[in-house]
Amino acid sequence: KQEVTQIPAALSVPEGENLVLNCSFTDSAIYNLQWFRQDPGKGLTSLLLIQSSQREQTSGRLNASLDKSSGRSTLYIAASQPGDSATYLCAVGDTTSGTYKYIFGTGTRLKVLA
Amino acid sequence: NAGVTQTPKFRVLKTGQSMTLLCAQDMNHEYMYWYRQDPGMGLRLIHYSVGEGTTAKGEVPDGYNVSRLKKQNFLLGLESAAPSQTSVYFCASSYQGKTEAFFGQGTRLTVV
Repeated sequence: KQEVTQIPAALSVPEGENLVLNCSFTDSAIYNLQWFRQDPGKGLTSLLLIQSSQREQTSGRLNASLDKSSGRSTLYIAASQPGDSATYLCAVGDTTSGTYKYIFGTGTRLKVLA
Repeated sequence: NAGVTQTPKFRVLKTGQSMTLLCAQDMNHEYMYWYRQDPGMGLRLIHYSVGEGTTAKGEVPDGYNVSRLKKQNFLLGLESAAPSQTSVYFCASSYQGKTEAFFGQGTRLTVV
């Protein structure tokens, strides 16, 4: 059974710091991995999607990497800002049950201090 | 382009009552999903659909039923609500299984 873990569960950093969020998964047979942002009381906003054949994706100050063989993905946020404060979720596209579905980690709650 | 829209946004039910949550997408997506989000447990898949007229069970299907009579709509039903079903429910859709998933804004359900 695919399991997704995100470490740390919570993170507090001063504004301007570069930071890395981690996501690990137990079964490397994934078809993609997606990073989301969730603001309190809101829905999920897609940040980056990495297909299984890709190593990384970039969007603005965000860079996500994927290492399927080691079961890891990282989300790098450059020059963090207070507006980046949110919960970040990773989800792996899993086919171990014979169809496509996303399995989520429990998230990293980020607070960027002004 | 509305994306994924969930109705209602908030609801309070009494134990034993029934209700239906509606998810509508206007992106012509084949795949649709219902998740619930609980503190400390992340998002867990309830049911999903890979196309019009199809449904399948996810990780936590007990107490819920679904229907996908039209491609753009995915309904989640609670026949007899229980306090354990107090949660935030999210609907998602994707064009195909391997493509980006888009989420609705969520439905906060409280069962008293």
